[in-house]
Amino acid sequence: DAKTTQPTSMDCAEGRAANLPCNHSTISGNEYVYWYRQIHSQGPQYIIHGLKNNETNEMASLIITEDRKSSTLILPHATLRDTAVYYCIVRRLNFGNEKLTFGTGTRLTIIP
Amino acid sequence: DTEVTQTPKHLVMGMTNKKSLKCEQHMGHRAMYWYKQKAKKPPELMFVYSYEKLSINESVPSRFSPECPNSSLLNLHLHALQPEDSALYLCASSQPLRTGNNEQFFGPGTRLTVL
Repeated sequence: DAKTTQPTSMDCAEGRAANLPCNHSTISGNEYVYWYRQIHSQGPQYIIHGLKNNETNEMASLIITEDRKSSTLILPHATLRDTAVYYCIVRRLNFGNEKLTFGTGTRLTIIP
Repeated sequence: DTEVTQTPKHLVMGMTNKKSLKCEQHMGHRAMYWYKQKAKKPPELMFVYSYEKLSINESVPSRFSPECPNSSLLNLHLHALQPEDSALYLCASSQPLRTGNNEQFFGPGTRLTVL
């Protein structure tokens, strides 16, 4: 699976949009971009995933560039409960590859 | 029910002890996972079970022995652990990839301390 690069940490003011970038310049055509987050002392939580089109759900939006070499996770109105480590993961969805390989992630702190 | 439960929440054991970690889900998922997470590090995959059969072992030492007695339960048997095995052990479940959506649901973890 392709390697990802994320900033180590970011701050965002409460109520503002949090934009978390991820670089995956070696992504191949059949690899999806997944985002998970891990709030302190809890298990990771799935947020969203996409292949090439932008995606939105009740938690966040995922914007993938046209060349698919980078993406941005957007939390539209950040709250204090969004303080967590956010992991961007690139993976193929083929049988026998159920594994998730977590990178170091971005520690997002929401400031009151 | 979209919950993965893990017991115990905390476990302290000596290097000569034998203990087991338990994980349970009732979402009908047929893939289950064990991850290990050291402090301030990302989770690392240990084992994957698909349809109750071990499908991935990430070269984990034999002192960790997984077991999947049925589609809802996953155990991790521990024996002769070392202090460096102290970590948060996370269980997760999902539908296997062949069925489509592979979102993994994680439990809260068992925090293990080996003395």
